[in-house]
Amino acid sequence: QQQVKQSPQSLIVQKGGIPIINCAYENTAFDYFPWYQQFPGKGPALLIAIRPDVSEKKEGRFTISFNKSAKQFSLHIMDSQPGDSATYFCAARDTDKLIFGTGTRLQVFP
Amino acid sequence: GAGVSQTPSNKVTEKGKYVELRCDPISGHTALYWYRQSLGQGPEFLIYFQGTGAADDSGLPNDRFFAVRPEGSVSTLKIQRTERGDSAVYLCASSLRQGLSNEQFFGPGTRLTVL
Repeated sequence: QQQVKQSPQSLIVQKGGIPIINCAYENTAFDYFPWYQQFPGKGPALLIAIRPDVSEKKEGRFTISFNKSAKQFSLHIMDSQPGDSATYFCAARDTDKLIFGTGTRLQVFP
Repeated sequence: GAGVSQTPSNKVTEKGKYVELRCDPISGHTALYWYRQSLGQGPEFLIYFQGTGAADDSGLPNDRFFAVRPEGSVSTLKIQRTERGDSAVYLCASSLRQGLSNEQFFGPGTRLTVL
């Protein structure tokens, strides 16, 4: 019940493509769903986050779609760039701790 | 403004030894978190401090792991009798306060290797 399942494990797109990363959860007590971006040798950095009473949130080229009834949420990256190549983690907050997915390694080729 | 800093950046030790990992949170952040990230995995929660007290230590894997935050700022994660399975990147994060939308800012981590 504490898991957050993330897919795909890896993703390769060309510049300008729209990679989509999906996550699913079981625990309906989760109250906050952030996405983190991590570059090699660095700590995760918050990209965008959503609360379960909102179905979509957009910040720049990044959009979260949230389906509360299906207990699923996804990250879309519009007009992807080589600089977006990184590992992306979805997460869900349980009280104060974050439960992370297993990560998606994204490669964007020029 | 400085971010979360962690020292050392790398630590190599032998099985059975004791190690201490340090975290300096962002100034003014009252909440501090420790996570562990194994290769190819997402971070896993270990312990959370609000001020000086451990509010939730449910993620500590066993009693070899202990963390302190005596003055409500710097925190030290202590691992006794290290085992090869303890090898991972240990991440520290801090946030301004509890509550909705409190962003956790992560440090670069300490890579622990137990030989």
